[in-house]
Amino acid sequence: DAGVIQSPRHEVTEMGQEVTLRCKPISGHNSLFWYRQTMMRGLELLIYFNNNVPIDDSGMPEDRFSAKMPNASFSTLKIQPSEPRDSAVYFCASSPGGVRGEAFFGQGTRLTVV
Amino acid sequence: AQSVTQPDIHITVSEGASLELRCNYSYGATPYLFWYVQSPGQGLQLLLKYFSGDTLVQGIKGFEAEFKRSQSSFNLRKPSVHWSDAAEYFCAVGDNYGQNFVFGPGTRLSVLP
Repeated sequence: DAGVIQSPRHEVTEMGQEVTLRCKPISGHNSLFWYRQTMMRGLELLIYFNNNVPIDDSGMPEDRFSAKMPNASFSTLKIQPSEPRDSAVYFCASSPGGVRGEAFFGQGTRLTVV
Repeated sequence: AQSVTQPDIHITVSEGASLELRCNYSYGATPYLFWYVQSPGQGLQLLLKYFSGDTLVQGIKGFEAEFKRSQSSFNLRKPSVHWSDAAEYFCAVGDNYGQNFVFGPGTRLSVLP
């Protein structure tokens, strides 16, 4: 398997624009996680899905952020409108779910909002 | 809800020296514990994990970690550090359902030649 695949790897956008980050989890994994990493706040869990259903979105910073998982092989994280403080590296991870499964991470998307 | 602390923000060791990175967790049930490593510009790679059984677990790249329930700790060790070990190290705790992973703030390791 190619692992967790995220796109794009880098994104530069202007403040106020909509940004969509994409993630393809490892085939067969039941759980999917979106994290945000910044120098100030470290690695924050934004939302996670189990069997395509959002389980906990309490980490989503505000209504400008939304995440979807329309099927088992694809998820998106959308920011609309984007702001400079959203600049960060966003990681997607997937896990087999259930007990004993670790999270496998993608390479991340580095987002810069100018 | 679970939480993780890593008391050391930055550690510097000489190549060949031993290493211990500290991790303390808080979780009401039996924790599932992990150590990940992140090289600059890369994602997180799993070093090792603990679910049950032997409290001393071996991982990749010569790392090991010991689970101590009485101290709520899961410290990472390596007997002899290599320059390529310079990276950021994250401790994480998972819930019993494998659905929620909480990460510590990370410890940045620098290695002196």
